[in-house]
This record gives sequence, structure tokens and C-alpha cells, in this order.
Amino acid sequence: DIQMTQSPASLSASVGDRLTITCRASQSIGSSLNWYQQRPGKAPNFLIYAASILQSEVPSRFSGSGSGSYFTLTISSLQPEDFATYYCQQSHRTPYTFGQGTKLEIK
Amino acid sequence: EVQLVESGGGLVQPGGSLRLSCAASGFTFSSYWMHWVRQAPTKGLVWVSRISGDGTDTAYADSVKGRFTISRDNAKNTLYLQMNSLRAEDTAVYYCARDPCPNGVCFLDYWGQGTLVPVSS
Repeated sequence: DIQMTQSPASLSASVGDRLTITCRASQSIGSSLNWYQQRPGKAPNFLIYAASILQSEVPSRFSGSGSGSYFTLTISSLQPEDFATYYCQQSHRTPYTFGQGTKLEIK
Repeated sequence: EVQLVESGGGLVQPGGSLRLSCAASGFTFSSYWMHWVRQAPTKGLVWVSRISGDGTDTAYADSVKGRFTISRDNAKNTLYLQMNSLRAEDTAVYYCARDPCPNGVCFLDYWGQGTLVPVSS
């Protein structure tokens, strides 16, 4: 199975900050990397697919990059509604493994 | 409007069985791959299983292989997860999710609200 490792596991930041979350795959997955946001008690929200393509209606402050085995999710200017947990997921090969999540908290 | 509504969760004893359902609406159900993803309390997301639009292609996580069966009824726009030989470690919220998988680019674009399955004696 392909292992997905996110870092950091948690992060404290302030409104307006720019931050980057990283996701590494245990083997090359091309650009088959997706990002999701999950607020407490809610179902995940789909943000980005194919490493860098924003789902429609996702604010442009979100961006994704990378290929092969190294990927990043960047939020350019944090808004209050962005404080949540973020997950990467590979869809290169089943099982479609998720990273362990990065919890973003307000500083 | 795309809607996915899970049902069938509830308390079950270890070794027991349960069948989850996911009722889909607002899209052409048979045209989409569908997945089950679970989340244990305070833990992260774990992919469980997927099925192709026509139901002929399935895949499972090793942790559920041989115990869980994914299926679908396209006439009823419903996805199922038959769970047998349940263990305490299967305790989780179970989500169904849609996967358009256009040109082989796969992602889970819509999710249900989840259904809780506690496994306990």
C-alpha cells in the first residue's frame, strides 16, 4: 500500500497568515493527489484534485502543487472559516490512502 | 442538487453484522464510482472500499477484505456496505462519497453526512 505522510500534524496560526502543509507519498503517485478540509463534526469538503486543480467554488487563497511523491497545500491568507483539519489522499492506486491529517488551530 | 444520505448505522455486538445504505439523488448514479470512507472517534479518515458505476469492479482495504462487501442498486440509486464479523476496531462514522473519476483522475467530490457504527458488547 502507498503510505501518505502529512506534516505538520498540527499548526497554530493567525487570521491573515500564509501557511503550507506538506504531504509525502511512499512512492511516486504522479499527480494523483487530492486535498480535503474537515470541520469538527462535519463531513469532509473536497478542495483540490490532481495536485493543483481547485474544485469550483473553492476560494483562490487555496492552492496545491507538487508531483511524484511531494505535495503541498498553501493557504495564502487564513480566514476564520479555514481553521479545520486538512487531509491529503492519493488516488493513484487502491487502497486510496489518506494522510493522517493536519489540524489547523487559531493562535 | 447532489445529495448522499447514509443510513443503517447503530450499535452492534462484536461478531455481528450490519448493512449500511447510501441513497443518492441529484445526479446520474450509474455514471459514478462510489466509495465508503470511515473515521473512528477522534481519528483520521480511512478509505474502506470502492465500486465502479456498473458494479463490476470493486476494491477493499486490507482491514475489511473478506468481511465487508460493497454493492449498488442503480435502479434504486443506492449504495450498500454489508459488514460482517464486526470488531471493536470497526467502530467509526461511515461516509459514502461520489467519485466522478473523469479520464482516470479520481477524487471524492461529494460526501454524505455519515452514519455512526459503534461495535461494543
